Amino acid sequence: DAGVTQSPTHLIKTRGQQVTLRCSPISGHKSVSWYQQVLGQGPQFIFQYYEKEERGRGNFPDRFSARQFPNYSSELNVNALLLGDSALYLCASSLEQKQFFGPGTRLTVL
Amino acid sequence: GESVGLHLPTLSVQEGDNSIINCAYSNSASDYFIWYKQESGKGPQFIIDIRSNMDKRQGQRVTVLLNKTVKHLSLQIAATQPGDSAVYFCAENTNDYKLSFGAGTTVTVRA
Repeated sequence: DAGVTQSPTHLIKTRGQQVTLRCSPISGHKSVSWYQQVLGQGPQFIFQYYEKEERGRGNFPDRFSARQFPNYSSELNVNALLLGDSALYLCASSLEQKQFFGPGTRLTVL
Repeated sequence: GESVGLHLPTLSVQEGDNSIINCAYSNSASDYFIWYKQESGKGPQFIIDIRSNMDKRQGQRVTVLLNKTVKHLSLQIAATQPGDSAVYFCAENTNDYKLSFGAGTTVTVRA
């Protein structure tokens, strides 16, 4: 079975631009979570979606938004990019409490 | 601040020896814990989990111990191999959806 997939793998943007990251969960998983991982730190929770509804949100500004589609895939959008948004963005799909992560999207903001 | 943290940022271990990675958590209400392994350039890989109604769980070459009295979690890796070199994170489930991670321990296996 395929694991969690994310696209793109790498992305370079400039300050002020907008970015959309995509995630496909493991087949049968209805919940998708997004995390931000800054170099040298552990992942930080951004959002979780379950059955297309936002279930929880971490301490991130409104520039960060997400949505989940009927096929349970998800998009993370970040507007008005800042240099500090440079990070690895991880998607995790879950069945009950167990979360499985994708390879991440490396975002660099110049 | 973080509710989950690891005692040591780095651990160097001889190939074939056992490794012990420690983690302290602060939320006594947490009921579920996961250990992840993250290799360079990859996403975290699920290793093993444990619920708060257990104090020990074993997997293939790995054992997780949970001491709720002192809010301490450990991951033991038997017969450490070069492929075990990675950053290890403990994560705490603070409710049904959010995982809280510590900063991680970097394990280096010496040949």
